[in-house]
Amino acid sequence: DQQVKQNSPSLSVQEGRISILNCDYTNSMFDYFLWYKKYPAEGPTFLISISSIKDKNEDGRFTVFLNKSAKHLSLHIVPSQPGDSAVYFCASQGEYGNKLVFGAGTILRVKS
Amino acid sequence: DARVTQTPRHKVTEMGQEVTMRCQPILGHNTVFWYRQTMMQGLELLAYFRNRAPLDDSGMPKDRFSAEMPDATLATLKIQPSEPRDSAVYFCASGFGTGFAKNIQYFGAGTRLSVL
Repeated sequence: DQQVKQNSPSLSVQEGRISILNCDYTNSMFDYFLWYKKYPAEGPTFLISISSIKDKNEDGRFTVFLNKSAKHLSLHIVPSQPGDSAVYFCASQGEYGNKLVFGAGTILRVKS
Repeated sequence: DARVTQTPRHKVTEMGQEVTMRCQPILGHNTVFWYRQTMMQGLELLAYFRNRAPLDDSGMPKDRFSAEMPDATLATLKIQPSEPRDSAVYFCASGFGTGFAKNIQYFGAGTRLSVL
């Protein structure tokens, strides 16, 4: 039973264009959401997060949008750069105990 | 530059052998998590600790896996006996959190385990 789903295994985008990565969740108790980026042979690194009291959080080229009614969040990267090529994981938190539930990841390739 | 340190980075072993993976969390962090990444499942939570006490190990196969925190600077994950299906990358992460706090987890570089 996957509580966090990233339905697109991969995404290919041209340099300079927008990358949009999507994530859906099923547990209405989740109230904090994070995106992690992972390069090969490295651990995931924190990118950006959003609390359920907000619908948007922005940090430089990265913006996360949250639609609570649809249980959907998305990560926008504008403009995309070749260095953004990585695996992106969506994660959700809400239950007592600080646990994160991760999606399966989306491989982003930014072509120059 | 504070970081989570995992050793070894790579481990190749034969089926039936014991495997021990180690993790040094970031100094001052009070929560430690063990994850396993496989091609099909993404990142699965195996176990986690707060203030060295195990809070949840429901994701871990109990018969062969064990996780401990002998002290605040060391977390271990053991597999005995190991099986080929245990081949995966194992990540340790640490953070600072209380029961309801929303915290960020910081990951180590992982241990790539291959069981032949």
